[in-house]
Amino acid sequence: AQTVTQSQPEMSVQEAETVTLSCTYDTSESDYYLFWYKQPPSRQMILVIRQEAYKQQNATENRFSVNFQKAAKSFSLKISDSQLGDAAMYFCAYRSAMWDKVIFGPGTSLSVIP
Amino acid sequence: GAVVSQHPSRVICKSGTSVKIECRSLDFQATTMFWYRQFPKQSLMLMATSNEGSKATYEQGVEKDKFLINHASLTLSTLTVTSAHPEDSSFYICSANRGGGRETQYFGPGTRLLVL
Repeated sequence: AQTVTQSQPEMSVQEAETVTLSCTYDTSESDYYLFWYKQPPSRQMILVIRQEAYKQQNATENRFSVNFQKAAKSFSLKISDSQLGDAAMYFCAYRSAMWDKVIFGPGTSLSVIP
Repeated sequence: GAVVSQHPSRVICKSGTSVKIECRSLDFQATTMFWYRQFPKQSLMLMATSNEGSKATYEQGVEKDKFLINHASLTLSTLTVTSAHPEDSSFYICSANRGGGRETQYFGPGTRLLVL
């Protein structure tokens, strides 16, 4: 069975600085998708970034980028120029290419210090 | 972008009663919807996969008679918590795939259930 691990329950970053959130996963599959979701206090899940495993190039979305290491099964999220609105729970997630359900990691609570 | 709605946003009920939560895809058809449960400060746990026109697929440990799922149309799935008890109090979130394959899931805003 696939699992997703986030080893940092809590992280903090100074406003305008850069922070990296870690994620590792375990799978025997070769084709899958990885996601980072943000859950602010409103609890609405918001997709931050998505990576297809067959793509070698790391995905980027404005201030958000990932470091995808397929062999190491690692998928970290880098947030540059952190803003107060980035404060939230961040969940790393895995989805097989064969089925639709998504498996979430335990989450990392990110605080942004003004 | 795709929008998924849930109703109600919060509900309080007495122990022993049943509660129905609706999940709707507003601007796309969803052959598959998912129901998650989230306890405070914890991650989302998948409860079941709702399939339009067929029975739901439940994750291990989830009581299908307790959590009834009906996917009546391509835009609506309902979760009914039957004979609710205080331990069923939680945040329930649904999500939907636009059309399967390589699509991203879109999440509803969630429903907070409190059973007294």
